[in-house]
Amino acid sequence: DAGITQSPRHKVTETGTPVTLRCHQTENHRYMYWYRQDPGHGLRLIHYSYGVKDTDKGEVSDGYSVSRSKTEDFLLTLESATSSQTSVYFCAISEATGELFFGEGSRLTVL
Amino acid sequence: KQEVTQIPAALSVPEGENLVLNCSFTDSAIYNLQWFRQDPGKGLTSLLLIQSSQREQTSGRLNASLDKSSGRSTLYIAASQPGDSATYLCAVRGAGNQFYFGTGTSLTVIP
Repeated sequence: DAGITQSPRHKVTETGTPVTLRCHQTENHRYMYWYRQDPGHGLRLIHYSYGVKDTDKGEVSDGYSVSRSKTEDFLLTLESATSSQTSVYFCAISEATGELFFGEGSRLTVL
Repeated sequence: KQEVTQIPAALSVPEGENLVLNCSFTDSAIYNLQWFRQDPGKGLTSLLLIQSSQREQTSGRLNASLDKSSGRSTLYIAASQPGDSATYLCAVRGAGNQFYFGTGTSLTVIP
């Protein structure tokens, strides 16, 4: 158990509203990731972090921002949610061995 | 860019059968390869991690092999059970602690 908690686990929101998803880890791992998973597209990287205040974009970063002010928390923000951002969002951490562990996911529906 | 392919996309076998899932990748410059299991509506669970210097890893009825030079990995499941029914994904870790995922093989084990 890599001690990853995502919140909220489920959220329904309306187009144009801001949404923040939180990922919390208990193990102080350096690397944290946000992915989205959609049918037919598999897992796609949104943003990742390699330390406090150190973040970088993934392949589908448009419309998303992230922040990491503490080692244990990595926040994903949708500034103005759109229907195309309806998805399941997964947080992951990478341990020193290079092994990747995932949270349980956050299911977001944008109406 | 690294491309990871999993064939077949779906597989159905009778209980008790031994089976092999395939994963191929285009760039052999990887640090490790990881196999995951995903149950419907759940997160990804790490099954096996093979470092680039290793040829195989075993855990219970699961055995994963890695042939880096040919860009291939296989996940062997012995004596399959209905509880093995899930989607199996492979991922390779490249430079910059980036991970590249296949789209998975959906396995159904028929009692």
